Amino acid sequence: SQQGEEDPQALSIQEGENATMNCSYKTSINNLQWYRQNSGRGLVHLILIRSNEREKHSGRLRVTLDTSKKSSSLLITASRAADTASYFCAAYGQNFVFGPGTRLSVLP
Amino acid sequence: DGGITQSPKYLFRKEGQNVTLSCEQNLNHDAMYWYRQDPGQGLRLIYYSQIVNDFQKGDIAEGYSVSREKKESFPLTVTSAQKNPTAFYLCASSVETGAANEKLFFGSGTQLSVL
Repeated sequence: SQQGEEDPQALSIQEGENATMNCSYKTSINNLQWYRQNSGRGLVHLILIRSNEREKHSGRLRVTLDTSKKSSSLLITASRAADTASYFCAAYGQNFVFGPGTRLSVLP
Repeated sequence: DGGITQSPKYLFRKEGQNVTLSCEQNLNHDAMYWYRQDPGQGLRLIYYSQIVNDFQKGDIAEGYSVSREKKESFPLTVTSAQKNPTAFYLCASSVETGAANEKLFFGSGTQLSVL
């Protein structure tokens, strides 16, 4: 019962550029979260936005949530090579449901 | 990865063999989860536990079993009934289920391969 779907599946940008990833989900949620995963490692929580919030910032991260469209976006500004990783959205309703992720490559 | 320890990092299973993946947390979290990740895909929920001595099936529980005898520990057994066990297995915990700010803390994963 996968709810989250990210796009694009892969994204390649130059250092300093902004990276935008999108996520869609299917049912009602308590919150929408974004996680980062380096290759062969566990996921690390980045940012959470509640269902009654529209936008949230944390450092170079900006997340938006549109509950009417059941979609969210994650913007990473001024990207760095160290941002290279896979990024997953997780829709939290009765449980956490993850999308397939976006593989971000930031080229130096 | 802080607070959640998964072992081993790599595990090999022979055909017909049961193997157990360990997950221990020192975060005093009530809820624990097991996810399976296949290459290029998201996480799929195998089992979760909200409290000691209780657990529920997730979306892909067939061929797996768990126990929750202690709050700190949530081992996953991959049984011989799981015909395609090769995957990356992730254990996670959260403070409790149902809270508006609920988020997951992950271990570093176990890569299971079939010999």
